[in-house]
Amino acid sequence: AAGVIQSPRHLIKEKRETATLKCYPIPRHDTVYWYQQGPGQDPQFLISFYEKMQSDKGSIPDRFSAQQFSDYHSELNMSSLELGDSALYFCASSHGLATYSYNEQFFGPGTRLTVL
Amino acid sequence: DAKTTQPPSMDCAEGRAANLPCNHSTISGNEYVYWYRQIHSQGPQYIIHGLKNNETNEMASLIITEDRKSSTLILPHATLRDTAVYYCIVRPRSQGGSEKLVFGKGTKLTVNP
Repeated sequence: AAGVIQSPRHLIKEKRETATLKCYPIPRHDTVYWYQQGPGQDPQFLISFYEKMQSDKGSIPDRFSAQQFSDYHSELNMSSLELGDSALYFCASSHGLATYSYNEQFFGPGTRLTVL
Repeated sequence: DAKTTQPPSMDCAEGRAANLPCNHSTISGNEYVYWYRQIHSQGPQYIIHGLKNNETNEMASLIITEDRKSSTLILPHATLRDTAVYYCIVRPRSQGGSEKLVFGKGTKLTVNP
């Protein structure tokens, strides 16, 4: 079965550079979530999109922005990178409608961002 | 903030049942109990969820107390591949993309040979 695809899987950037992470949800999923997991920490919700509109926002820095496109893929743009942005970034997708049987989120393999 | 409390770590012998407890004493009537697990640095994986009845699927069973203030995830025959951090999460089941997961500390389950 198709899963959530994230690219790139690994990314190394210098401080103050920019990075773009991409997420391709499972086909027919219309909701995308972004999570950040720092070293030794638990995943923290950043932002979500439902039908191409931002639906919820968590502890996402102002330096970060994201959007969902017409084909439902999503991109997380990160600017003025800091050392503390080094983390695993997970994307998850789901059906937005609670009437679907499980409504659970399916996670991608993550993008490991290292800021030097 | 996470609304659940879990023991930080547990051990289990391979082939035995693993029983992972979760306390969610402030759960409200419209909130479900979800369980996810994360195998080392992989994306979290959905296991099971329930509202008030016990649930079972091919991966695990979920036992929710009658007052819904606590639950237990049961892996009936743990294998080495079940070694992971297990997260118990409560959240309302709504629609429109607002079902973010709030991860607490989770329980690090180690299955020993």
